[in-house]
Amino acid sequence: AQSVTQPDIHITVSEGASLELRCNYSYGATPYLFWYVQSPGQGLQLLLKYFSGDTLVQGIKGFEAEFKRSQSSFNLRKPSVHWSDAAEYFCAVSGGGGNKLTFGTGTQLKVEL
Amino acid sequence: DGGITQSPKYLFRKEGQNVTLSCEQNLNHDAMYWYRQDPGQGLRLIYYSQIVNDFQKGDIAEGYSVSREKKESFPLTVTSAQKNPTAFYLCASRIQGGPGNEQFFGPGTRLTVL
Repeated sequence: AQSVTQPDIHITVSEGASLELRCNYSYGATPYLFWYVQSPGQGLQLLLKYFSGDTLVQGIKGFEAEFKRSQSSFNLRKPSVHWSDAAEYFCAVSGGGGNKLTFGTGTQLKVEL
Repeated sequence: DGGITQSPKYLFRKEGQNVTLSCEQNLNHDAMYWYRQDPGQGLRLIYYSQIVNDFQKGDIAEGYSVSREKKESFPLTVTSAQKNPTAFYLCASRIQGGPGNEQFFGPGTRLTVL
């Protein structure tokens, strides 16, 4: 069965600092990986996705993620965080019947001004 | 504008009552999904449907029911059999096809059972 682990429940960074959110996945075949962001009380918005090709993926809002098969990881990065980036971030893997998404438990990002 | 609508935003019900959450999409997507979100647990799949008049159970279907009579609509009923129904419920849809196609999410409904 597929699974996703986000080891950091909360992360606090200062505005302008760099950010890396960790994601490890378990999936038997080629993984299809996603990062979503959720503002409080809102739905999820897709930041970026990976399913083949270049292992460094660019997304919206200045985010990028790097797929590392040897480490089963898909970490999200941003060089300089803005206060508006404060939100909850979810990593997900797709597969199986119905192309279901399996989500990690999320990382809550706080940005200090 | 194309998108997914969930109504109402907030819903309050007494214990023992069934309640139906609405999800409508005008994206012409074939597949639709219902998730439940609880603090610290991420999103868990309740039911999904890949085509009209067909749906499958997800990981936590007990106490829930769905229907898919129209392509645009996928309502979720939270029955009195659901032991802990208070949660944030999210509906999503996607174009049919391979697993690389992303899901699009609605704004969610927060259900509180008193």
